[in-house]
Amino acid sequence: DTGVSQNPRHKITKRGQNVTFRCDPISEHNRLYWYRQTLGQGPEFLTYFQNEAQLEKSRLLSDRFSAERPKGSFSTLEIQRTEQGDSAMYLCASSLRTNSPLHFGNGTRLTVT
Amino acid sequence: AQTVTQSQPEMSVQEAETVTLSCTYDTSENNYYLFWYKQPPSRQMILVIRQEAYKQQNATENRFSVNFQKAAKSFSLKISDSQLGDTAMYFCAPLTQGGSEKLVFGKGTKLTVNP
Repeated sequence: DTGVSQNPRHKITKRGQNVTFRCDPISEHNRLYWYRQTLGQGPEFLTYFQNEAQLEKSRLLSDRFSAERPKGSFSTLEIQRTEQGDSAMYLCASSLRTNSPLHFGNGTRLTVT
Repeated sequence: AQTVTQSQPEMSVQEAETVTLSCTYDTSENNYYLFWYKQPPSRQMILVIRQEAYKQQNATENRFSVNFQKAAKSFSLKISDSQLGDTAMYFCAPLTQGGSEKLVFGKGTKLTVNP
């Protein structure tokens, strides 16, 4: 169990640029989640995959956000035309099966200037 | 939609003492799971304890235990013999069921353990 890995750890970008984050879940976990966390708040759900299928997408996820998990292993989260309000910590988590605890990565901290 | 309320934004406790963090939630489901997660400063979220709603017995994990009151939809966390390493944000999170399975987090309680 090598844990959930997220890259990069930090990303600074200018408003209007596109960014992409990567998440590698624990290898045998078929569920993968993306959350966003702003300072002093709890994580907010963004989207969820079971294997390669994206089963749910929060209304927080505007059309500028897209997530993929092409082979049911790693996942990417892309934000197009970034805005200052996108500045946050983006957390990835994975779980083994129904009702299993989520295991979180260290997150990617995005700063939009 | 599920809501989670953690009414104590900040708490502090002296080392070796006991502290209880409160959480209430709203759900229409009968069978579900509840979790407490800990997020130390600048570090990743880790699981503290888990409770299955169909079990009447309160979960215990070493110095951590819960007081689960299903009818009241209350799920408090008790930390005994507090240690400096317990300083962290603590989040209560029910796991939704019924086709959409995700954790819904409260706003958290910032716990500081003082020496």
